[in-house]
Amino acid sequence: TQLLEQSPQFLSIQEGENLTVYCNSSSVFSSLQWYRQEPGEGPVLLVTVVTGGEVKKLKRLTFQFGDARKDSSLHITAAQPGDTGLYLCAVFSGNTGKLIFGQGTTLQVKP
Amino acid sequence: DTEVTQTPKHLVMGMTNKKSLKCEQHMGHRAMYWYKQKAKKPPELMFVYSYEKLSINESVPSRFSPECPNSSLLNLHLHALQPEDSALYLCASSQWFPNYGYTFGSGTRLTVV
Repeated sequence: TQLLEQSPQFLSIQEGENLTVYCNSSSVFSSLQWYRQEPGEGPVLLVTVVTGGEVKKLKRLTFQFGDARKDSSLHITAAQPGDTGLYLCAVFSGNTGKLIFGQGTTLQVKP
Repeated sequence: DTEVTQTPKHLVMGMTNKKSLKCEQHMGHRAMYWYKQKAKKPPELMFVYSYEKLSINESVPSRFSPECPNSSLLNLHLHALQPEDSALYLCASSQWFPNYGYTFGSGTRLTVV
């Protein structure tokens, strides 16, 4: 079983639409991160959330950490073709420095 | 300098070849990592180096041999690979504190023929 369950796994939408990606677990985490990976590149850190109920905004992207720190969501408003990519949630495993990723959500935004 | 630089960007090698992947960072990060990523899948951890010492080996086959010559460099030596080892190999670095994110390189696209 996966530690982090991401949904949906694939999403294809038109430019201007809104979307939400979910990252769920039965475990409690001290922090959770979201990364975006474009084709042919490495993942790039978008945000780290650490407090239950926390909401962070990055331009048209809104990230929320669940009150119980078991889940998180990423909402994109008015998606643009430049938002196309693989979105990954991730958490650290104990104090090992090991970063564990969800299965990822592949987003395609069509012009 | 806020980058992790990986070379080469693309590599094609035969099953009997020996090659090396290189990774460099000058951000003063003391943790460095190798990840393997197959198409449309998340990265999977292979090795963790902390303060130039190997701290995690995720049961990676011995045909992959990591090396950390100093705090800025990380190598991955490859020998007798199989076609199923073809993947994107990502290097990353971080501060040694859990809430700091990783900085990833762009990866080496490896094809084993």
